[in-house]
Amino acid sequence: DAGVTQSPTHLIKTRGQQVTLRCSPKSGHDTVSWYQQALGQGPQFIFQYYEEEERQRGNFPDRFSGHQFPNYSSELNVNALLLGDSALYLCASSSVRNTEAFFGQGTRLTVV
Amino acid sequence: AQTVTQSQPEMSVQEAETVTLSCTYDTSENNYYLFWYKQPPSRQMILVIRQEAYKQQNATENRFSVNFQKAAKSFSLKISDSQLGDTAMYFCAFMKHFYKDFGNEKLTFGTGTRLTIIP
Repeated sequence: DAGVTQSPTHLIKTRGQQVTLRCSPKSGHDTVSWYQQALGQGPQFIFQYYEEEERQRGNFPDRFSGHQFPNYSSELNVNALLLGDSALYLCASSSVRNTEAFFGQGTRLTVV
Repeated sequence: AQTVTQSQPEMSVQEAETVTLSCTYDTSENNYYLFWYKQPPSRQMILVIRQEAYKQQNATENRFSVNFQKAAKSFSLKISDSQLGDTAMYFCAFMKHFYKDFGNEKLTFGTGTRLTIIP
């Protein structure tokens, strides 16, 4: 079992650009959540996808959007990047009504 | 809205000693779950232990145990016989009980405690 996999592991983008991060959930999981972890902080919830729909959303602007595919994998898109978007982006997968979330190793995004 | 507070930014302890990490939370919910996650330098969050709020018995996982005080909204983690591999960031997290028929509830994290085990 490969667990939760995220790609890429590191990324450098310029202000104003757009970025797409990818996540493959653990086998058997159908729910994918995305978190942003700024340096020295705890993760902050961005949004969650289940059955290809956004089911919950945290306090993030519309520049942050996502998608879930029929195979349960997910993408996080960020438009018009700001310096403040520099962070570790974590993907977590779970199965419905199971409280245990499994995390990937994250994508380190640096905006310059 | 829920908040989670970890008041110890950093802690260090000698190998084989016992250490306790503190966490308090604020919520109006009656049914919820509490977690401790470990984040080593590899960055991957690993679940250490989970507590259901409706259970009075404190959760235990090998060397890890919690002291859950629901009325005080306190949830501390005790690591016994600490090992070098315990060196990591530790995050306390809260999840509401889910009532929906889809997905799951989000995790609300504290700011973390950096724990260093000294050889």
